[in-house]
Amino acid sequence: AQKVTQAQTEISVVEKEDVTLDCVYETRDTTYYLFWYKQPPSGELVFLIRRNSFDEQNEISGRYSWNFQKSTSSFNFTITASQVVDSAVYFCALTKYSSASKIIFGSGTRLSIRP
Amino acid sequence: GAVVSQHPSRVICKSGTSVKIECRSLDFQATTMFWYRQFPKQSLMLMATSNEGSKATYEQGVEKDKFLINHASLTLSTLTVTSAHPEDSSFYICSARAQTSGGSYNEQFFGPGTRLTVL
Repeated sequence: AQKVTQAQTEISVVEKEDVTLDCVYETRDTTYYLFWYKQPPSGELVFLIRRNSFDEQNEISGRYSWNFQKSTSSFNFTITASQVVDSAVYFCALTKYSSASKIIFGSGTRLSIRP
Repeated sequence: GAVVSQHPSRVICKSGTSVKIECRSLDFQATTMFWYRQFPKQSLMLMATSNEGSKATYEQGVEKDKFLINHASLTLSTLTVTSAHPEDSSFYICSARAQTSGGSYNEQFFGPGTRLTVL
């Protein structure tokens, strides 16, 4: 069975602070994909990143960075120099390698950035 | 990226009525569409997977007679909430996956969601 755990329910930081959102996953598959999505108050999901299980390289995109560690089954997301616009719910998710597979979402972390 | 639309974006209905929500892939053909439900402050929970031209596959605990899914074309899937009750009030999100093309991953694109309120 597949499972995604986001232990941090809510995080609140002051603007310009760095913040890391944790994600731990469980799967018996050797090949899989991991995702991060952002859900602002409007409700529409915004795709942030997809990472396949073969690629453990860390990724950086502007103020966002992701740390994928297969050894600990973690795929953590860091926002550097946070901004108020980063306030949203962030979901980590997992799917099998098969194109037909469904995406399993974690419970989400509600991030609030205070001015 | 590819665009998925949902209509309506928001609907309020009386208890006992049926509500239809449309999900369209605007610039690609989707052989598979997914329907999710999200209650306030909760995660997205998959309700069903539908493949064009065949019956939908429902997740455990989802009543197929209550949540009717039709995927009649490669660009349209509909979710009908029959005899809606206040506990069906939720945010319904669809997603669409493009036709498979070789071994590469086929992205799943999400719609903007439909907020259903049943009075």
